[in-house]
Amino acid sequence: ETGVTQTPRHLVMGMTNKKSLKCEQHLGHNAMYWYKQSAKKPLELMFVYSLEERVENNSVPSRFSPECPNSSHLFLHLHTLQPEDSALYLCASSQGTRGVAYNEQFFGPGTRLTVL
Amino acid sequence: AQKITQTQPGMFVQEKEAVTLDCTYDTSDQSYGLFWYKQPSSGEMIFLIYQGSYDEQNATEGRYSLNFQKARKSANLVISASQLGDSAMYFCAMRPINDYKLSFGAGTTVTVRA
Repeated sequence: ETGVTQTPRHLVMGMTNKKSLKCEQHLGHNAMYWYKQSAKKPLELMFVYSLEERVENNSVPSRFSPECPNSSHLFLHLHTLQPEDSALYLCASSQGTRGVAYNEQFFGPGTRLTVL
Repeated sequence: AQKITQTQPGMFVQEKEAVTLDCTYDTSDQSYGLFWYKQPSSGEMIFLIYQGSYDEQNATEGRYSLNFQKARKSANLVISASQLGDSAMYFCAMRPINDYKLSFGAGTTVTVRA
């Protein structure tokens, strides 16, 4: 495996279900990100994990819970979601976060989530 | 806060012709990076090109070039010799050097016609 991988690629869940999205990066990076991409809206940064800090977007509901057990893996735990949470969830990684002039983010293929 | 504006929701271009995608940004930071990404229908975001705010020359990467006008806060992407595989959504993004957040524009859909 190379780059950034995400599983599953597609997920359909009910509002009472609990599921998890998985992201793995094989690039040796030290920062990982979760983004949400809804129809007709710009990409929205949800969470950032790096060696220095974990940063959360305060507007993200608590029904989304991130977990980063190590620098290569990132999870997004989902519970009691709403239909408006249906979106493409993208994971990304980069080398470093703050203070680095050029730290291109590499994205995974995304998980297409549908909440019924 | 940073704001990225892409005013062209959709564009059509003939194969082998060049196309320019507009991007303007608003920031009070002096040091920042500008990025362009391509998103095909498959969903993956593909990095295309980077421009640093202190770079004196415009960035180029193969058929992609970035027309950077710092005073106007403009970072337009030029795709030369368009190919059918260039049909995708294109996003402009910006990150201040001392911030973690990469802010994206709304995107421009490019459709290349044979």
